[in-house]
Amino acid sequence: AQKVTQAQTEISVVEKEDVTLDCVYETRDTTYYLFWYKQPPSGELVFLIRRNSFDEQNEISGRYSWNFQKSTSSFNFTITASQVVDSAVYFCALSTNNAGNMLTFGGGTRLMVKP
Amino acid sequence: DTGVSQNPRHKITKRGQNVTFRCDPISEHNRLYWYRQTLGQGPEFLTYFQNEAQLEKSRLLSDRFSAERPKGSFSTLEIQRTEQGDSAMYLCASSPAGGGFEPQHFGDGTRLSIL
Repeated sequence: AQKVTQAQTEISVVEKEDVTLDCVYETRDTTYYLFWYKQPPSGELVFLIRRNSFDEQNEISGRYSWNFQKSTSSFNFTITASQVVDSAVYFCALSTNNAGNMLTFGGGTRLMVKP
Repeated sequence: DTGVSQNPRHKITKRGQNVTFRCDPISEHNRLYWYRQTLGQGPEFLTYFQNEAQLEKSRLLSDRFSAERPKGSFSTLEIQRTEQGDSAMYLCASSPAGGGFEPQHFGDGTRLSIL
């Protein structure tokens, strides 16, 4: 069975602070993909990044960066110099071939960035 | 690319009534997914189509739920004899066929409220 845990249910920061959202996953499959999605107050889930289980290189995209560590089954997401527009719920998700392509989501982390 | 479209955005109905939701995926996507999201939780997988074939169904999809994708384009999700516990946001997503791990693109969802 697949499982994704986002232990931080809510984080509040002041604008321009850096913030890291944690994600820990469980799977017995050796081939899998990890995803991060953003859900702003409007409700639509917005795809941010996909990472496969064979690529542990960290990735940076503007103010966003992701740290994938198979040894700790973690896929953490860092926002540098946070902005008010970053306020949203962020979901980490896992997909494996043996799970029929479905996404298994974590419970989400609500990020509030205050001006 | 007009994105995934879901109708209606909101549905309020009395317990025991039947409801039907529609999802129009991104036109070139042949995979279509339904998820359910309750307040404060991550989305949970319900079912998945590849073209017109329903390939996977979650245990969450009771006998009162039925989904169709008759021509491999739009999909409908019907809930019969609605119950209070069916109140949730119903999300549709689509993706191209690409080894099973292509990012899923989500619609705005249909929020169902059972009185």
